[in-house]
Amino acid sequence: DIVMTQSPLSLPVTPGEPASISCRSSQSLLHSNGYNYLAWYLQKAGQSPQLLVYLASGRASGVPDRFSGSGSGTDFTLKISRVEAEDVGVYYCKQALQTPVTFGQGTRLEIK
Amino acid sequence: EVRLVESGGTLVQPGGSLRLSCAASGFTFSSYWMTWVRQAPGKGLEWVATSTLDGSEKYNVDSVKGRFTISRDNAKNSLSLQLNSLRAEDSAVYYCVRRNNGSYDIWGQGTMVTVSS
Repeated sequence: DIVMTQSPLSLPVTPGEPASISCRSSQSLLHSNGYNYLAWYLQKAGQSPQLLVYLASGRASGVPDRFSGSGSGTDFTLKISRVEAEDVGVYYCKQALQTPVTFGQGTRLEIK
Repeated sequence: EVRLVESGGTLVQPGGSLRLSCAASGFTFSSYWMTWVRQAPGKGLEWVATSTLDGSEKYNVDSVKGRFTISRDNAKNSLSLQLNSLRAEDSAVYYCVRRNNGSYDIWGQGTMVTVSS
């Protein structure tokens, strides 16, 4: 199974400041089609998860442009250029290159 | 509006069975792989099972193999998950999810399954 490792697990951020979450996979997520099968999700308190980024760097519909995804192979990053109060929640990375699909442990972003 | 609505979650005894349902609307259901993801209380997300477009291929996480079965009815725009031989560790919120570009772009609100005597 591909193991997904996120860091940090807890991320206190001052509003208006940038934030960055790292996700590493135990195997390359680069498909032969040239895409990395890595996605990012945000789960706000009491809500279902929502898709932020697909194929490592594609921003999902309706996601603010302060969110960006980057990386390839085994190292990926989700960046928030300027954190807002509504960004609070748990962020998960997920690989879908092979089954079983696996998620990272989650990173809890909180406002300082 | 694109929507997924789960139902069927309840309290069940260990060893019991349950069938979860998911009603899809607002999109061409038969054009998407569909998936169940679960989340135990206070824990992270776990992929459970996926069905291909016509249900001819199904994939499960090892921990549910032989116990859970995913199925779909494209004529009724519905996805199901049959849960047998339930264990306490199967207690979780179960989400019905649409797969698109290798990601899960639409999530239902979830249905809670509690396995306890």
